[in-house]
Amino acid sequence: AQSVTQLGSHVSVSEGALVLLRCNYSSSVPPYLFWYVQYPNQGLQLLLKYTTGATLVKGINGFEAEFKKSETSFHLTKPSAHMSDAAEYFCAVGGAGNTPLVFGKGTRLSVIA
Amino acid sequence: DVKVTQSSRYLVKRTGEKVFLECVQDMDHENMFWYRQDPGLGLRLIYFSYDVKMKEKGDIPEGYSVSREKKERFSLILESASTNQTSMYLCASSPRTSKQETQYFGPGTRLLVL
Repeated sequence: AQSVTQLGSHVSVSEGALVLLRCNYSSSVPPYLFWYVQYPNQGLQLLLKYTTGATLVKGINGFEAEFKKSETSFHLTKPSAHMSDAAEYFCAVGGAGNTPLVFGKGTRLSVIA
Repeated sequence: DVKVTQSSRYLVKRTGEKVFLECVQDMDHENMFWYRQDPGLGLRLIYFSYDVKMKEKGDIPEGYSVSREKKERFSLILESASTNQTSMYLCASSPRTSKQETQYFGPGTRLLVL
């Protein structure tokens, strides 16, 4: 069984500040990990994903995440927040093959000018 | 680019009506998924399909059914809509491989049941 916990349903940062969105997962098999972003009234789009190999993954819009197996974490970071980063962010975990992804409950990011 | 389209962005229905939500993808993906999204609950999987005429229950299938007669189209059916089915419905698709592939999402259908 797999599960995802996103710490903090709402995170607020100042423009230009570091963005840190936390994700911890549980998986009985080697995990595939994803971060998706959802802008208002839109579907989800992929920010980045970890499959195998390098544990630091770079995504779109300056975001990156690091897979830490010992901590079962996949936190999302961005060095400097921009107003356009305001959105909802979802972490997801899946196993190999065609098992469905399991999504976290989401974290809403607000960016204050 | 992968494109996943959903038949309606907004839908208003009455309690007891039969509701059809349609999803079409243009990338020849084998896998298709239906989720509902509610505030504070994230995305919950309703049904998914790995191939034409195949379907699997997700975490919350009660009150829903699905149909996949063609590879590109996956329909979600609310047999008798109820107010607790008011929600945002998201469709997604992905290719079938031995790995876990990216799911591509449609824009969503916001359903209000009165």
